[in-house]
Amino acid sequence: DVKVTQSSRYLVKRTGEKVFLECVQDMDHENMFWYRQDPGLGLRLIYFSYDVKMKEKGDIPEGYSVSREKKERFSLILESASTNQTSMYLCASTPGGRAGDTQYFGPGTRLTVL
Amino acid sequence: AQKITQTQPGMFVQEKEAVTLDCTYDTSDPSYGLFWYKQPSSGEMIFLIYQGSYDQQNATEGRYSLNFQKARKSANLVISASQLGDSAMYFCAMRGFSGGYNKLIFGAGTRLAVHP
Repeated sequence: DVKVTQSSRYLVKRTGEKVFLECVQDMDHENMFWYRQDPGLGLRLIYFSYDVKMKEKGDIPEGYSVSREKKERFSLILESASTNQTSMYLCASTPGGRAGDTQYFGPGTRLTVL
Repeated sequence: AQKITQTQPGMFVQEKEAVTLDCTYDTSDPSYGLFWYKQPSSGEMIFLIYQGSYDQQNATEGRYSLNFQKARKSANLVISASQLGDSAMYFCAMRGFSGGYNKLIFGAGTRLAVHP
């Protein structure tokens, strides 16, 4: 089974702090994604990566950055956390390439910024 | 621009009955794929079913089937013989294959409650 893990299930940070959310997948997938999930808005793509050291902006990249130094690990960075970044963050991976390839999701990190 | 619309914020169904969750989409891509995911209260997104835009038959996976009507741009999820464990959020998503093919666009979701 594909396993996508995220470093924390729950996280509480203060405004202005630098926040790291880590995601690791164990299936050698090429593509990895970071989403945020808010009620009534579904999932929105923040950033994705299709290879090591490669990254692409999603639909809402402002206030976020990412890092992919190794194939299995994709990190989301909030340089200076703000209260409007309080949300559920979901990481996903997919082998890519085939039309029906689903994305496999981690359990999510519920981040609260005070 | 691509868009997914789920018009039912919440639905409820009696155990053992069938339920249909609506999904309509908008895209100018000639080739695309449609996915349904389930998110229980634990938070993890679980893949349920996939339909390709050129697939001739509606997709089925166990108790899940996808009622795909291409001309109407709808991809409704049908759950037969509902179980208490089906209570969850359900998301419809679309992937286009022209440029940015890896990206999924999600709808706002429908919360399903199964009553005994």
